[in-house]
Amino acid sequence: DQQVKQNSPSLSVQEGRISILNCDYTNSMFDYFLWYKKYPAEGPTFLISISSIKDKNEDGRFTVFLNKSAKHLSLHIVPSQPGDSAVYFCAASARETSGSRLTFGEGTQLTVNP
Amino acid sequence: ETGVTQTPRHLVMGMTNKKSLKCEQHLGHNAMYWYKQSAKKPLELMFVYNFKEQTENNSVPSRFSPECPNSSHLFLHLHTLQPEDSALYLCASSQERRFRGGYTFGSGTRLTVV
Repeated sequence: DQQVKQNSPSLSVQEGRISILNCDYTNSMFDYFLWYKKYPAEGPTFLISISSIKDKNEDGRFTVFLNKSAKHLSLHIVPSQPGDSAVYFCAASARETSGSRLTFGEGTQLTVNP
Repeated sequence: ETGVTQTPRHLVMGMTNKKSLKCEQHLGHNAMYWYKQSAKKPLELMFVYNFKEQTENNSVPSRFSPECPNSSHLFLHLHTLQPEDSALYLCASSQERRFRGGYTFGSGTRLTVV
């Protein structure tokens, strides 16, 4: 049973436009959500997070939106840049019950075309 | 040196070999993890160590044997692996009680079993 799902394996956008990456989860105990970015031959790096008490968190060009009723979160990148091309992983944790244990999605390959 | 360092970066081994993967973190974190990443699959948690004690074994076959001699070092000992064990093995660390940034990952070891 996969508790975190990223249904789009790939996404292609033009430079300067908005990139929207989606993530769905099933475990209602999840209370903290994170996005990681991974370049080839490197480990994932932390990008942005959001607590379940919020519905939006913004950091520069990156904004994460959380819809708890739909168990859905999304990452918006605007404007998109070619250097944003990478695999993006959504992750979730249930800190009350599982501490810092993270559950990851399958990842979405984002390609930003010049 | 800072961050999480994994060695070797690449490893090719036969099914009868014994090898070890090494992970080292210089961040003062007290939790360390092994993850497996196969193509088009979510990152799969293998083992969790908190303060050098193994707190989770996610139904990993016994041909994978972790060792955590201190809170800065983590090993994954491999023996009699199968070709389907070929994957990217990622080590990560975190500070259990200050979790805002999630995990810090190493660059991974790309393992090929022949």
